[in-house]
Amino acid sequence: AQSVAQPEDQVNVAEGNPLTVKCTYSVSGNPYLFWYVQYPNRGLQFLLKYITGDNLVKGSYGFEAEFNKSQTSFHLKKPSALVSDSALYFCAVKGYGQNFVFGPGTRLSVLP
Amino acid sequence: ETGVTQSPTHLIKTRGQQVTLRCSSQSGHNTVSWYQQALGQGPQFIFQYYREEENGRGNFPPRFSGLQFPNYSSELNVNALELDDSALYLCASSVTGKNTEAFFGQGTRLTVV
Repeated sequence: AQSVAQPEDQVNVAEGNPLTVKCTYSVSGNPYLFWYVQYPNRGLQFLLKYITGDNLVKGSYGFEAEFNKSQTSFHLKKPSALVSDSALYFCAVKGYGQNFVFGPGTRLSVLP
Repeated sequence: ETGVTQSPTHLIKTRGQQVTLRCSSQSGHNTVSWYQQALGQGPQFIFQYYREEENGRGNFPPRFSGLQFPNYSSELNVNALELDDSALYLCASSVTGKNTEAFFGQGTRLTVV
């Protein structure tokens, strides 16, 4: 079965420092990987996706993600964190159909 | 804004009642999916509709049902509400395909008392 793990419930980082939110996946076949962000009382906003090609994917709001096939990971990164990046982040993989299988989420807190 | 709108935003129902949640998809999108997000958890897939037919379903009982209309708007119906149905219900619209992202509405917060 397709699955996603986010090993950290919470990530704290100081404003201006680089951030990493970790994700590992388990799929059969080629992985279609996505990152979404959720602000309080809001739906999910798409950040970026990996389908094929370059292992470094660039997305919205300065975020990027690195796909590593050998480690089955798809970590979300940003060179310089902003307080406004504080939110809940979800990694997801496309399931056998076209539905998303989401990880449990990682809460990012950027401290001023 | 994603162009996906859901109504109502909040709803309180009594155990055993029935509820209908509505979603208006983004223009040009032919696929709509519904997800349940319990507090502190990731969204769980309920079902998906493509061209008005259900074409995928998660591990939810038959009392969760849906419809997609010709204009690609959608409804989620839940019968015989249980306390555990309290959650944020998210609608997502997309163009069909494994490599396509989905755009989510702001959700409907359902509380069952």
